[in-house]
Amino acid sequence: GENVEQHPSTLSVQEGDSAVIKCTYSDSASNYFPWYKQELGKGPQLIIDIRSNVGEKKDQRIAVTLNKTAKHFSLHITETQPEDSAVYFCAAILSGGDYKLSFGAGTTVTVRA
Amino acid sequence: DTAVSQTPKYLVTQMGNDKSIKCEQNLGHDTMYWYKQDSKKFLKIMFSYNNKELIINETVPNRFSPKSPDKAHLNLHINSLELGDSAVYFCASSPPWTSGGDTQYFGPGTRLTVL
Repeated sequence: GENVEQHPSTLSVQEGDSAVIKCTYSDSASNYFPWYKQELGKGPQLIIDIRSNVGEKKDQRIAVTLNKTAKHFSLHITETQPEDSAVYFCAAILSGGDYKLSFGAGTTVTVRA
Repeated sequence: DTAVSQTPKYLVTQMGNDKSIKCEQNLGHDTMYWYKQDSKKFLKIMFSYNNKELIINETVPNRFSPKSPDKAHLNLHINSLELGDSAVYFCASSPPWTSGGDTQYFGPGTRLTVL
């Protein structure tokens, strides 16, 4: 099965600074990479995703980059705000495969005011 | 509201009891899932159903039995609860593969505490 490693496990940033979370995956056939944000007491919410035919995708202050050769992808949050504080999970899946989404271990992001 | 919903939100019970968690989605999705999130926040898939048919069954004790009465519902029944079953259980769903089927949408979770 797919193994997804995520770093760092915790990240503390000053409000307004950028936050970067990195993930690596093992199955070179994986072709779909979502990112989820989980706030305290809630379920994971999809915030952005990228497919293997694209190298970068941006949505306002959030961007994701994918390097298929190196098998890693990253989440970038710019101009961080206190409401960005949450646990972020990367994941990978073989699209059209067995529906099995493999998650990273999560990164707890704290934005200091 | 269109969403994935779960009941109950909290469940506190004694070891050895049998309990059920219910999940419903009104998104018209074909595939539903159960995930377990442990105390370290790690998310691990347990089961997946596609059109009421079991397609993923990870290494989960057979005390856990999913049941899908129809495409919109996937319930999780747990027999003989153990202390190690304490966790947050999330239901999720995804549309058909032809409509972005790899995108999964999660419910709010059920926090199970076994005493």
